[in-house]
Amino acid sequence: DSGVTQTPKHLITATGQRVTLRCSPRSGDLSVYWYQQSLDQGLQFLIQYYNGEERAKGNILERFSAQQFPDLHSELNLSSLELGDSALYFCASSLRTVSPLHFGNGTRLTVT
Amino acid sequence: QQQVKQSPQSLIVQKGGISIINCAYENTAFDYFPWYQQFPGKGPALLIAIRPDVSEKKEGRFTISFNKSAKQFSLHIMDSQPGDSATYFCAPEVSGSARQLTFGSGTQLTVLP
Repeated sequence: DSGVTQTPKHLITATGQRVTLRCSPRSGDLSVYWYQQSLDQGLQFLIQYYNGEERAKGNILERFSAQQFPDLHSELNLSSLELGDSALYFCASSLRTVSPLHFGNGTRLTVT
Repeated sequence: QQQVKQSPQSLIVQKGGISIINCAYENTAFDYFPWYQQFPGKGPALLIAIRPDVSEKKEGRFTISFNKSAKQFSLHIMDSQPGDSATYFCAPEVSGSARQLTFGSGTQLTVLP
């Protein structure tokens, strides 16, 4: 068990809808990272937060947004969903930005 | 643009055999070279990692070999076991506050009993 908790585990929704994915990092970890894993694109970095502030942005669509709250949990908001957004979304955390990453077990999003 | 090329895409090995997975990169600024292991239904987990000041690191049956001049590093799994069947990713990175891991495309390893 990595100590990173992601909810929900599965999410099925329709095109055009909006969903929120939640991540609770390991106790004490200050950095949170979001990744998207799909069969054709592999693991793609989306965004990183450190102690509430955005630190790095990857291939994150404008329809997607994220934030890290004072209690260090993070949420990834996906809006105007398209079929192509169907994927596994992983959250990872680390104590500092140079520490090993610990991944959660992901949220499987299916857009129908 | 950071590019990472991982090979092979899939690998089938007999129990007790040696599994070798390779990762080639372009960015010479990379200074941390990890391998992640992912089982179905789980997130990736750090398996073993190396810094560029050494050419090899061994942890149990797992070894990383690093070739700085060739811009390649590889994962060797000795005495491969069915429990090693998983997908393996390389994800070299540049240490720093803005941490953008570029994962390889993954290698699906199957170890036959």
